[in-house]
Amino acid sequence: DVKVTQSSRYLVKRTGEKVFLECVQDMDHENMFWYRQDPGLGLRLIYFSYDVKMKEKGDIPEGYSVSREKKERFSLILESASTNQTSMYLCASSPHTGTGDGYTFGSGTRLTVV
Amino acid sequence: GESVGLHLPTLSVQEGDNSIINCAYSNSASDYFIWYKQESGKGPQFIIDIRSNMDKRQGQRVTVLLNKTVKHLSLQIAATQPGDSAVYFCAERVQRFGAGTRLTVKP
Repeated sequence: DVKVTQSSRYLVKRTGEKVFLECVQDMDHENMFWYRQDPGLGLRLIYFSYDVKMKEKGDIPEGYSVSREKKERFSLILESASTNQTSMYLCASSPHTGTGDGYTFGSGTRLTVV
Repeated sequence: GESVGLHLPTLSVQEGDNSIINCAYSNSASDYFIWYKQESGKGPQFIIDIRSNMDKRQGQRVTVLLNKTVKHLSLQIAATQPGDSAVYFCAERVQRFGAGTRLTVKP
């Protein structure tokens, strides 16, 4: 089975902290994505990457950055966490073909910023 | 801006009935749509997709209908089962997701 693993299921951080959310996939997928999921808003794309060291902004990149130093790992960074970044964060990966059946999501990290 | 939205946040059906979940989109140039199912505590899972050159696509117990004229698509689940209880999302490619419809199946 394709696996997308997010390092933490739950995180609680303080306002102003630097936060790292890690995502690892084991199927040699080229594409990786970070979303946040909020009630009533669905999933919103934060950043994505088509290759190592490449990144593209999604719809809501403000307050976030990403790092992809290795093909299997895509990190989401909150430089200075704020309470409005409390959310469920989902990582996904896919091969270059980009069809929906190739996308695999992780189980999510629920981040609470206090 | 462009958006994808679902019509109802919740839907409750009786086991064995057919379910219909609706979704509207705003971008007439959209060419690829995906339906996902998300069970509690899990990430979304692919159900079925459809390209804009098709009006209908069928899978196992699921059918997606696309009406480009009114920019609407629907997911139909036949003979709904308790295991179908989940949140269902439509998505335009993987960039824009609807807010989700929570389907509850009553035994």
